This record gives sequence, structure tokens and C-alpha cells, in this order.
Amino acid sequence: GAGVSQTPSNKVTEKGKYVELRCDPISGHTALYWYRQSLGQGPEFLIYFQGTGAADDSGLPNDRFFAVRPEGSVSTLKIQRTERGDSAVYLCASSPQPWGVASEAFFGQGTRLTVV
Amino acid sequence: AQSVTQLDSQVPVFEEAPVELRCNYSSSVSVYLFWYVQYPNQGLQLLLKYLSGSTLVESINGFEAEFNKSQTSFHLRKPSVHISDTAEYFCAVSDRNSGNTPLVFGKGTRLSVIA
Repeated sequence: GAGVSQTPSNKVTEKGKYVELRCDPISGHTALYWYRQSLGQGPEFLIYFQGTGAADDSGLPNDRFFAVRPEGSVSTLKIQRTERGDSAVYLCASSPQPWGVASEAFFGQGTRLTVV
Repeated sequence: AQSVTQLDSQVPVFEEAPVELRCNYSSSVSVYLFWYVQYPNQGLQLLLKYLSGSTLVESINGFEAEFNKSQTSFHLRKPSVHISDTAEYFCAVSDRNSGNTPLVFGKGTRLSVIA
């Protein structure tokens, strides 16, 4: 596709449930990033993939959060035992090179997760 | 760790007036600096970036930002705003010398242009 695609655009789930959020990066982009944006805040880094491996997962808040990118393209962010505090917009971004060489990152429109 | 401060959460301004959105970052180490814009109901888009060279960088729609190392600032300016500039603007920074560091974002400034 032309840009980064995230599905679903909106997700409402009950507290304690498991959710998966999907990100389709721009074709050929090797770097993929997940961010979380809470109301009134800027995007907060969660995890960064270079290819299939997680190069930096220091932003994951706890072990309920996990992400995979098995074939180096599509990525899934998984949240177990969701809590109301997990409610936020989850953003995915991809870039042709790692940000260490400051290439532009392209963001998807995000998935708005609401835990009730 | 890096942090970014955007001093104004909301900036209302009349159409055709000038505007400055302020951004300061925490560290004096070598950095890359970015401004991203988020229009209503759209994703984040890169507006402009400073990597090296000239400290004044410009976007295609009339915005400019100046890297000031001594003040650790990267303020965004436009001499005459349009209604279509209404959006949320995020300043971001990454360390130049720390490998593949992720961008650290500020909390954003909501620019509202009034007709």
C-alpha cells in the first residue's frame, strides 16, 4: 500500500481481555516502531524492530505487552489482561533505515484502544 | 535520557498573523531534531528536520525552525498562518551518537488559527 496501515482503527475491549493490534508498514521498510499516545500527551516509544528482531523494547511498560514481526514486514502488538490504563492511541511507524541515520519515519493513523 | 519540552499546550492565533511554537530539549549532546504535524483525523507527518549543516531549516508550506545549540532549542515559526495550519505540532529529538535510538516526542502544541 501507499502508507502505513493499522487495523483496526478502533477497538473497544473489556478489562482483562486480550487484544492484538496490527501494523502493515510501507513495503521495503526495514525499521518498524510502535508508539503509544495517551490523551494530551505526545507519542511514547514502546518498541523498535529492525527486520524481524526487536532491537529495542525498553519502552514496553510491563510483561503484558509483547510485539512480533515474524517475517520482517507486518507487526502485531499484543496486550494481555488489558487494564483501563492501557486505553490510548497506538501508533505504528516505519522507515527505510533506522533512525540512527535519521531517515524519515512514516506513521500510520493509529488504533484507538478503549478498555472498559 | 532525552526529554522534550513544548512550553505551550495551546496557541490560538488569527489568520495571517505570525506564530512561534517553542521547543526545548534536555541534552547538549549531538542530536537530530524534528517537527511533526498531526492534522485532524490524520496520522503524524514529518514537517521538517534538522540533521546537520545550516541551522535554519524550512518546510514546503512556509514553516521554518532554527536549531540553537547553546539554548538547546528548535522553535518553529511561520510569518503568516492560514486556517489550514490548524493542527497539533510535535517536536521530537533523537541522539545522533547513540545508534538506533527512537524519537522522543514532546507533549505537543495545538495551533488553532482563527478567521
